[in-house]
Amino acid sequence: DSGVTQTPKHLITATGQRVTLRCSPRSGDLSVYWYQQSLDQGLQFLIQYYNGEERAKGNILERFSAQQFPDLHSELNLSSLELGDSALYFCASSAVNREDTQYFGPGTRLTVL
Amino acid sequence: KNEVEQSPQNLTAQEGEFITINCSYSVGISALHWLQQHPGGGIVSLFMLSSGKKKHGRLIATINIQEKHSSLHITASHPRDSAVYICAATGNQFYFGTGTSLTVIP
Repeated sequence: DSGVTQTPKHLITATGQRVTLRCSPRSGDLSVYWYQQSLDQGLQFLIQYYNGEERAKGNILERFSAQQFPDLHSELNLSSLELGDSALYFCASSAVNREDTQYFGPGTRLTVL
Repeated sequence: KNEVEQSPQNLTAQEGEFITINCSYSVGISALHWLQQHPGGGIVSLFMLSSGKKKHGRLIATINIQEKHSSLHITASHPRDSAVYICAATGNQFYFGTGTSLTVIP
C-alpha cells in the first residue's frame, strides 16, 4: 500500500460527459502528479501541483483541468469526454520535488462509451 | 519524436539469468526514475538516479549523464520479477519510455 488513494476505481461514462477523479496523497507529501496511461500512448505526464500551486504541465488537453486543495488532495476534471480519453489515470505524490521518489495510487480506469 | 527510448520492448528470460534493460534519453534531465508495473496495473518506483549507481536487493540501476543513458540490471532473475519496467526522464516535466515487458520463466 503506497498510502496514495484514488477514487473511484472504475468509471464508465458516455461521450460528451464530464467526470472528476480524486486523489489523496501520502501523509506529508506536498506534490501531486497526474498521469494518463492508454494502450496506444503509454504513460503520459499530465500535470504536477505543489502545495496548492501548479508546478509543471505536460501533455494535458484543454478539456482537462486539475487543482490541489488546501488539505492537499487533488482533483482531475475531464470534460467533453471522447472515446480516446478511455485510459487508466494515475495519481502519485512525492515529498516536494520531481526528483523525489514518487508513490503511485492504484489508478482510476475510465471507460468512455 | 521520442525523448526517451527503451530497449528491448519485450524480454523473456530463464529463472536465474542476469537481465539488462536500457534507457536512452535526449532531453536535459535532473533525475531519471525506474518504475515497475505489475500485471494488475499498480506502479512502484524502484529507483531515482541523478548520477552513478544505486542497488536495492537484486536490482541495480546506473546512469551515465554524459552519454544520456541508464540501465536497469536484475541479477538472479525470478518469476516474481515478471512485470513491465518503465524509465522516466525528469526535467521540466516527465518523459516516459514505452516500457520493457519482462517475463521470467521458472
